[in-house]
Amino acid sequence: GAGVSQSPSNKVTEKGKDVELRCDPISGHTALYWYRQRLGQGLEFLIYFQGNSAPDKSGLPSDRFSAERTGESVSTLTIQRTQQEDSAVYLCASSLAASRGYNEQFFGPGTRLTVL
Amino acid sequence: AQSVTQLGSHVSVSEGALVLLRCNYSSSVPPYLFWYVQYPNQGLQLLLKYTTGATLVKGINGFEAEFKKSETSFHLTKPSAHMSDAAEYFCAAHTGTASKLTFGTGTRLQVTL
Repeated sequence: GAGVSQSPSNKVTEKGKDVELRCDPISGHTALYWYRQRLGQGLEFLIYFQGNSAPDKSGLPSDRFSAERTGESVSTLTIQRTQQEDSAVYLCASSLAASRGYNEQFFGPGTRLTVL
Repeated sequence: AQSVTQLGSHVSVSEGALVLLRCNYSSSVPPYLFWYVQYPNQGLQLLLKYTTGATLVKGINGFEAEFKKSETSFHLTKPSAHMSDAAEYFCAAHTGTASKLTFGTGTRLQVTL
């Protein structure tokens, strides 16, 4: 079966513009995560969706960042009024239901965002 | 708060030499621990994981790691490096109750002839 896919693979935008990044999780995976990877740094957790529960938005760095997920399918991460410090690789991951214990997170190839 | 520390942002070894990538965690409870590998322009791939049971875990491509609770460590090793091992390696932790993985800053492994 297909893995996690993300689009676009690369996005170059001008400072102040809005961008939308898309993630298609593995079919049947109810949990979906967004992470950010800045150059030379580890991955930072941004947001987590689990089924119909309220998302965990504790990692979103500012109110310019938001994300949506329709049911248990596609998710979009939106960054409004982009700033140069938003330049990073945005990684999406999905897993089976996140319950007590652990289910492996499968990562997509990421979207490289460059803000000029 | 949980944190993961990887010592050494860059490690260089000769082909055939031992690979040792260090990872220490800080957690109030023993976490689940993971090593991921990232090849250029690719997503993260799980190398191995420790959840419960045997503290020495074996992963793909000949890598293994040992969970040492007394040292709060989960170092990654491979007896003999191969050129194809050149990549970035990330250690990560999950407490089992939180939804997210907490990652270290990564170690870039270079393998030379």
